[in-house]
Order: sequence, then structure tokens, then C-alpha cells
Amino acid sequence: SQQGEEDPQALSIQEGENATMNCSYKTSINNLQWYRQNSGRGLVHLILIRSNEREKHSGRLRVTLDTSKKSSSLLITASRAADTASYFCAKRRETSGSRLTFGEGTQLTVNP
Amino acid sequence: DVKVTQSSRYLVKRTGEKVFLECVQDMDHENMFWYRQDPGLGLRLIYFSYDVKMKEKGDIPEGYSVSREKKERFSLILESASTNQTSMYLCASSLWGQPNTGELFFGEGSRLTVL
Repeated sequence: SQQGEEDPQALSIQEGENATMNCSYKTSINNLQWYRQNSGRGLVHLILIRSNEREKHSGRLRVTLDTSKKSSSLLITASRAADTASYFCAKRRETSGSRLTFGEGTQLTVNP
Repeated sequence: DVKVTQSSRYLVKRTGEKVFLECVQDMDHENMFWYRQDPGLGLRLIYFSYDVKMKEKGDIPEGYSVSREKKERFSLILESASTNQTSMYLCASSLWGQPNTGELFFGEGSRLTVL
């Protein structure tokens, strides 16, 4: 079964606003990754945060990880219409080797 | 530029047909994966392989098989396609490494419709 609930399922904002997406999980992880998917295309890796890290930045992306709450957030600042896509979190569990478990994703729409 | 290539973007097959989905990566990655993606269900792992001729079942292997005869190629086989296998199929690869790595590189996907 899928682990890791993501919320919201869908998010619609105006250009320039910030977008926050959340991801929760149930079992201990080695790392958590965020991916982006444009409609009808493959997924592209955005950022990886390790279990011993609490926050990571990459350009307009900020990811936080709270292992005590088993949750992560992806923040996109100053959003652009081109950020419109689905965003997925993926967990590498401690016991799963190279496997990643994906959430159901958040569909982000940024209106110009 | 590193690349994962899936041979067909769109396929239409009939129930009962044997279907081959091919995936090739040029990054010398040890790990390769097949996922299917359905609305509301996210990505679910069908099979993966961590070496040539090695394979392991994922979460939903029923109705599928795989082949990895060469390191760069990982094939997904539907022995007898059924309508409930209509889906987007995504291939991915990654390096075999420490647990704290493992970024996946995805292909563009193969959208299969079974009539």
C-alpha cells in the first residue's frame, strides 16, 4: 500500500504567491525526495533531504523535514505560471534498499 | 545529457495481446524500476532490478514480468494484456550506492491503452 499522504491534493494560487505542499509518512526513512511532473511527462528530481537534515534550499525551493512528526514540506516561493505541475514526495525507507515509495502528489496550478 | 528512453510514448493494444515496454538508460546505473501511474493512486512500483538478470517484485507485480539481459535495458512484459492494465508506465534508473543517495531519473512515460 502507498505510504505517505500528501496534502493538499490540489492547490491553486496566483503568480507571485508562495505554495506549500505537505507530505507525511509512517516508517523511518533514510531520505525524502521531492519530484515534479509536468502533465503527461516523466518525473524530474527537485531536491533530496536526508533524515539527519532539517531544512534544505535550492533556488526558490525550501524543504523541511520533521522526523518526530514524520512529515516534510515543500515551499515554492514567488511562484510562476511555469511552476504549474504535479509535485510528489518519495520516501526511501530504512528497510527498503534502493526503493522509493511515492505519495499521491499535489497538483499545483499557478494562475498568471 | 543523461537520459532514460522509453521506446513508445503511446500504445494501443487489444485484450489478450502480449505487450513489451522497453526502457534504455545511458548512465551506467545499476538500478532500474518500472512504475505505473494512475489518477488518485500516485506511482506504484511493479518490478525493479539492481543488476543484470536480477529482479525483485514491487508492490503490484501481478500480471507483469520483466527482463534485464543487459545493464542498460529493462523491459516490462504484459503476458496477456487486460483492460485494467490501461495506465501510464514510467521507467526509472538510479545508482547503486549509499542509502542516503538514490535520485531517480525517469523516462517520459509510455501511455498504454488496452481495448
